[in-house]
Amino acid sequence: DTGVSQDPRHKITKRGQNVTFRCDPISEHNRLYWYRQTLGQGPEFLTYFQNEAQLEKSRLLSDRFSAERPKGSFSTLEIQRTEQGDSAMYLCASSDGWEGYNEQFFGPGTRLTVL
Amino acid sequence: EDQVTQSPEALRLQEGESSSLNCSYTVSGLRGLFWYRQDPGKGPEFLFTLYSAGEEKEKERLKATLTKKESFLHITAPKPEDSATYLCAGQGAQKLVFGQGTRLTINP
Repeated sequence: DTGVSQDPRHKITKRGQNVTFRCDPISEHNRLYWYRQTLGQGPEFLTYFQNEAQLEKSRLLSDRFSAERPKGSFSTLEIQRTEQGDSAMYLCASSDGWEGYNEQFFGPGTRLTVL
Repeated sequence: EDQVTQSPEALRLQEGESSSLNCSYTVSGLRGLFWYRQDPGKGPEFLFTLYSAGEEKEKERLKATLTKKESFLHITAPKPEDSATYLCAGQGAQKLVFGQGTRLTINP
């Protein structure tokens, strides 16, 4: 399967704990995006990378959130000191091309539940 | 601020009953209007990209159209397997701005 993969698919944690999610984009896609989706809503943009450079961050991305994409391949999203409001589906997407006109292909998501 | 609004929020149809979903957008410097399908518990699945007003694209029972302010997803003679949430998104710079989705249910 050459699609976007995410790990883990589900994560249950207690409030105050740190969690880290991983995203593996489609091979050779240079752009990688993170979105968050809550029940009944569309995905909301968090951040994106072009290769290893993080080029844009949403105001939704508080200082408890950090994302990396070392070597321009896979990416990690870490949430420190989780809060119940962080419970959501975290989606990763990747796209090809430098002009930004290309389709973003999504992974299956990581569902986070904070107790 | 960029905004995308979809209507209706939910739609129930009988198998074979055609209808349309609406997506209204205000996205600065729109580069593309995207339609995705999302099944429960899964990530969005890409359907179409429309780049300019007047453009149309088709895939099986689905046809997407674009004007300067709206996009429509027409579904012709739907089947139960077309039941899903359909998401519309506008791309200004890099990020996608999504609507809240239309939850479509096709009854056999």
